[in-house]
Parts: sequence; C-alpha cells; structure tokens
Amino acid sequence: AQTVTQSQPEMSVQEAETVTLSCTYDTSESDYYLFWYKQPPSRQMILVIRQEAYKQQNATENRFSVNFQKAAKSFSLKISDSQLGDAAMYFCAWGGGGATNKLIFGTGTLLAVQP
Amino acid sequence: DVKVTQSSRYLVKRTGEKVFLECVQDMDHENMFWYRQDPGLGLRLIYFSYDVKMKEKGDIPEGYSVSREKKERFSLILESASTNQTSMYLCASSFGISGSPLHFGNGTRLTVT
Repeated sequence: AQTVTQSQPEMSVQEAETVTLSCTYDTSESDYYLFWYKQPPSRQMILVIRQEAYKQQNATENRFSVNFQKAAKSFSLKISDSQLGDAAMYFCAWGGGGATNKLIFGTGTLLAVQP
Repeated sequence: DVKVTQSSRYLVKRTGEKVFLECVQDMDHENMFWYRQDPGLGLRLIYFSYDVKMKEKGDIPEGYSVSREKKERFSLILESASTNQTSMYLCASSFGISGSPLHFGNGTRLTVT
C-alpha cells in the first residue's frame, strides 16, 4: 500500500525568507502524480503545485517549487520570499495513474510565518 | 472557477441520529470523494464515486454510506452517528482523467454529542 510521510508537524519561517517542507512517499507504481495542497484557517484546501512522476523537471508555480527525487521517493516543497498569507497547513499527497484520482495524504505540516 | 459546495459548515448531532452531509459540484466532474480530516492523521478517504450510482469504499468506510443519484451531487450518510465520528468532513471532485487535481469544498465540522 502507498504511504505518504510528512515528518515535520510544525515549521516556522521569517517573512521574506525561504522554507522547505519535507515529504516522502512509498509506492511500487511507476505512473503516479504528487501534489502539495495548502489549507489556511478558512479550511479551503487549495492546490499549490502538481508533479507528474514521469517528468524529471521540477514543477514551479511562482514562489513555490518542488524538489522531486524519484529514486529517493522524496517530494519537498520550497516556498521562497515567504509572505504572511503563506501561513497554513500544508499537505503532501500521492495519486496513482488511474482515472479515479483518489489521493493519499500525509499528516500535514503547520507553517507559521513570523513578521 | 470550480465550485464545490458543502451544505453545512458546522453541524451538531446526537448519538444515534442519522446524519446527511451533502456536496454539490458545478464542473461536471466525473469523480467525487469524501474525506475525513483529524489532527495528526491528515485526510483519510471514506468513499469515492467515479460515476452516477457507482461508489467504492475508501480506507475508512465503516459506519458510513454514500449516495450519488445525480452527477453533481454526492451525499455522505452516517447511519447512526457516534461520538468517534466527530470530525471535519471534506468533499472533493475531479475530472476522470489521470492526474487531474482534486477540488475541495470548505468542509463540514461535525460534532456528535
């Protein structure tokens, strides 16, 4: 069975600094997708970034980028120039290659941004 | 923008009551999901549906059932609510295309007393 592990329950970063959130996963499948979702206090889960496993190039979305290490089964999220609005719970998720798109989530990392 | 709407933001029910959580999406998505979110446990899949009247159990289906009579609506049913079902419930939907991201509703915080 697939598992997703986020080993950092809480992290803190100074405004304008860079922070990296860790995620590792375990799977025997070769076709899969990885996601980072953000959940602010409003509770709305928002997609931050998506990575296809068959792509070697790391995905980026503005200040958010990932370091995808397929052999190591690692998928970390880097937030550059952190802003107060980045404070949220961040979830890493794994999805298989089938069309059902059901995701397996990690336990989350609560990110605090200090002014 | 995709909109996934959950009928209640907060709900308080008594033990033994039958509880219905409703979810509606407006993007013609094939897939719909119910997750449960608990501190320290992340999100766990209860049930999902890949088509009208089709459903599959997720990782924690015990004590729950679902109904999908129309493509846009997916209901989660607690047949006899228990205190250990006090939790945050998140509905999500996606296209039936491999790798399509999930779009989530705002969640229903259910308290069973």
